[in-house]
Amino acid sequence: NAGVTQTPKFRVLKTGQSMTLLCAQDMNHEYMYWYRQDPGMGLRLIHYSVGEGTTAKGEVPDGYNVSRLKKQNFLLGLESAAPSQTSVYFCASSYEASGTYEQYFGPGTRLTVT
Amino acid sequence: DAKTTQPPSMDCAEGRAANLPCNHSTISGNEYVYWYRQIHSQGPQYIIHGLKNNETNEMASLIITEDRKSSTLILPHATLRDTAVYYCIVRALSNSGYALNFGKGTSLLVTP
Repeated sequence: NAGVTQTPKFRVLKTGQSMTLLCAQDMNHEYMYWYRQDPGMGLRLIHYSVGEGTTAKGEVPDGYNVSRLKKQNFLLGLESAAPSQTSVYFCASSYEASGTYEQYFGPGTRLTVT
Repeated sequence: DAKTTQPPSMDCAEGRAANLPCNHSTISGNEYVYWYRQIHSQGPQYIIHGLKNNETNEMASLIITEDRKSSTLILPHATLRDTAVYYCIVRALSNSGYALNFGKGTSLLVTP
């Protein structure tokens, strides 16, 4: 049981390049999330998904797109990377959305855009 | 979701209890109190949550005041590995989704 895994762990992009971050979970969770964390700050929600085939915007969605084609995977795409997207990206998943659920987080992807 | 207020940093000697306070004076009746922590460069880790009653698990205890306006996370015997940023989060379901609203948390330093 690997929990939540993220690929890649590190990446350096040039402005304007594109890339996709992959999040995978093996806990059969319905809900998945993408957060970003800037230095010295808390996490901010980018996009989330409440089930296979569904996605929704979070607090800071601009410049990102997501897809949830399979229940276990949640992809985050940057179509044209900008230096402002330099951050650490965390994926999370949870079983349900009741008031008692907890989120499980992946180890993070450190992205630098030059 | 209700806002929370936490001290920016705290110190604790190894082996002693670490008591981390959180103020959430605007909490609503259906909002839970969650605690997560983030060890340097790692993803956040769930610790404990509660609604009204005090809670205890293998990691920590959560004490919620009777009026629910504040709470305290207790690590009974802090170790060096407990050095981390601790986040107090108050939340309920909302139309905007199911996110956890992380603030800046409390940076706990456990010293030998």
